[in-house]
Amino acid sequence: GAVVSQHPSWVICKSGTSVKIECRSLDFQATTMFWYRQFPKQSLMLMATSNEGSKATYEQGVEKDKFLINHASLTLSTLTVTSAHPEDSSFYICSPQVTGRETQYFGPGTRLLVL
Amino acid sequence: GQQLNQSPQSMFIQEGEDVSMNCTSSSIFNTWLWYKQDPGEGPVLLIALYKAGELTSNGRLTAQFGITRKDSFLNISASIPSDVGIYFCAGTLSNFGNEKLTFGTGTRLTIIP
Repeated sequence: GAVVSQHPSWVICKSGTSVKIECRSLDFQATTMFWYRQFPKQSLMLMATSNEGSKATYEQGVEKDKFLINHASLTLSTLTVTSAHPEDSSFYICSPQVTGRETQYFGPGTRLLVL
Repeated sequence: GQQLNQSPQSMFIQEGEDVSMNCTSSSIFNTWLWYKQDPGEGPVLLIALYKAGELTSNGRLTAQFGITRKDSFLNISASIPSDVGIYFCAGTLSNFGNEKLTFGTGTRLTIIP
C-alpha cells in the first residue's frame, strides 16, 4: 500500500482565520490529488480534484475561493481553508493518486474545529 | 453530491458471527471498492473489484461486484473485536479505480461482548 501523511492531524482555530492542511505522498508521486470532507457521522464527500501543476476542479457547492488547493509538486498538496467559520468544522482527508495505478489510498485525515 | 445506498446502516453482532452488508447504485460503476474507517482516521482499503461478477477474498473478507455493475456486497466471516468500525463502499467509473470516488452511506459494525 501507499504511505500518505497529513499535517496537522487536528487543528482548532478562531472564526475568521485561515488554516493550511498539508498532504504528502511519501513513497510515490501523485499526479492527481483528491480532497474529501467528512462531517460527523456522515460519509466522505469529494470537494475537489487537482492535477500537479494545474488548477483544481471543484465539486458543485464547494467554494473555490474559500478552499484553496495547491498541488505544486508530485509529493505535496495543500488545502487552505480561508476565513474559516464554524460550519467548516469537519474531517478533511486527502487521497493522492497516480494515473494508471490501481485503487486509491487515503491520508489519515485532519480534524478542523473552528470556534 | 451523489451517494451510494448502503445497508444495513448499523449492525450489532456477537463475536464469531458472520456479517453481510451491501451497496447499491442507480448508475453503473466500473470499479467497486470497500473501505474500513476507524474513528479519527482515514479510510483503509479492504478489497478492490474491477470486473462485473468478480468475487474476491482478503482473509476473512469476501466481496463481489454485482453482474449489473450497480451493486456490491461485502461479507466478513467469524467476526473479531478489531472488525469494529465503519465500512464504506465506493464506486468509480474508472477501470483502475483511480478516478474520483462516490462513497456509500456507511455501515457501522459493533460487536456486543
